[in-house]
Amino acid sequence: KAGVTQTPRYLIKTRGQQVTLSCSPISGHRSVSWYQQTPGQGLQFLFEYFSETQRNKGNFPGRFSGRQFSNSRSEMNVSTLELGDSALYLCASSLGTQNQPQHFGDGTRLSIL
Amino acid sequence: GEDVEQSLFLSVREGDSSVINCTYTDSSSTYLYWYKQEPGAGLQLLTYIFSNMDMKQDQRLTVLLNKKDKHLSLRIADTQTGDSAIYFCAEVNAGNMLTFGGGTRLMVKP
Repeated sequence: KAGVTQTPRYLIKTRGQQVTLSCSPISGHRSVSWYQQTPGQGLQFLFEYFSETQRNKGNFPGRFSGRQFSNSRSEMNVSTLELGDSALYLCASSLGTQNQPQHFGDGTRLSIL
Repeated sequence: GEDVEQSLFLSVREGDSSVINCTYTDSSSTYLYWYKQEPGAGLQLLTYIFSNMDMKQDQRLTVLLNKKDKHLSLRIADTQTGDSAIYFCAEVNAGNMLTFGGGTRLMVKP
């Protein structure tokens, strides 16, 4: 069974631009969650999507948004990029029912110049 | 509020046992997880324990949970150089959101 796939692996953008990251979950998984990992703040929850609906949201500004498609693939968008958005963005998928373990992809490393 | 804490660093010799500790604050957590992160990679799920259990063993890994003290530990028996990585404990809330500790960097010396 293929794992969680995130594309692209690396991105370089400049301040003010926008970016879209993609995540394909494990087959059969309906929940996709996004996390941001930085050296200063560690791992922080962004949002979770289940059956094309945002089910949970972390404490991030509205510049961070996402969506989920009918095949459970998810995209995350960040607009008006800031230097502080440089991070490893991790996607995790699970079956989506209560307390099912989340499995992570290798992440997209975003660098803002 | 939720807060998960871990020590920053642990160094052991190859063949010894490693014990990584974690404390958490959310008593409503039903599951607690251990993830491993190697350089340039994402998080690999190692093991998890249900909150009504005290111990779980999985090959070289043993998880101990003291619910009264909200203390979780991961013991790695016969630690190998390939075990060198950052280890994260995490708790999950009712909203299926993982709250992570800051990670413990394990260094295994040959």
